[in-house]
Amino acid sequence: GEDVEQSLFLSVREGDSSVINCTYTDSSSTYLYWYKQEPGAGLQLLTYIFSNMDMKQDQRLTVLLNKKDKHLSLRIADTQTGDSAIYFCAESGRSGNTGKLIFGQGTTLQVKP
Amino acid sequence: EAGVVQSPRYKIIEKKQPVAFWCNPISGHNTLYWYLQNLGQGPELLIRYENEEAVDDSQLPKDRFSAERLKGVDSTLKIQPAELGDSAVYLCASSGGGQGAYNEQFFGPGTRLTVL
Repeated sequence: GEDVEQSLFLSVREGDSSVINCTYTDSSSTYLYWYKQEPGAGLQLLTYIFSNMDMKQDQRLTVLLNKKDKHLSLRIADTQTGDSAIYFCAESGRSGNTGKLIFGQGTTLQVKP
Repeated sequence: EAGVVQSPRYKIIEKKQPVAFWCNPISGHNTLYWYLQNLGQGPELLIRYENEEAVDDSQLPKDRFSAERLKGVDSTLKIQPAELGDSAVYLCASSGGGQGAYNEQFFGPGTRLTVL
């Protein structure tokens, strides 16, 4: 079946790098996504990676994809207090490009000053 | 450009009462999604519309939940009667749709439902 797993909590100090990890089960997923959710708000797409890529960098964000191990990670460089939020990994799953997203349970990132 | 609009933002009702949530997607987006987000969990798809057609409602509990998108624009999700376990955040999202694209979904702020 389709399943996405994430660790629940990560605490870092301001200025350090944060690495949030995710594993997924559906090798047919075309796209993998990282969303950010701040308290009381909806989800905001941070970045995505196409399944035939190994890495994608976007300013402070680096996404690494290990398709063999079905492992996705999000690295945030120079983490700021404003990065404190819940981060969700999601896969497009067997539905391909039809739009259904399968989300993990979210990783709460706490950034200490 | 306005984002996805949802109302109400918060709703408190007693069990067995009906409740309705409204969503207005981003202008021009033909795909609309309703997700359920339980506390401490990621969102789970309830129903997806392409224009006015529900193309994926396999996760919608049809005994008490219903949804409509009559003119292919805004949408309403209804629960009747509500149960204690329905307490959650109901998220609406929209996308431009289309094949082959990464199909970014834009999310609204959600409606937080509390059933007492």
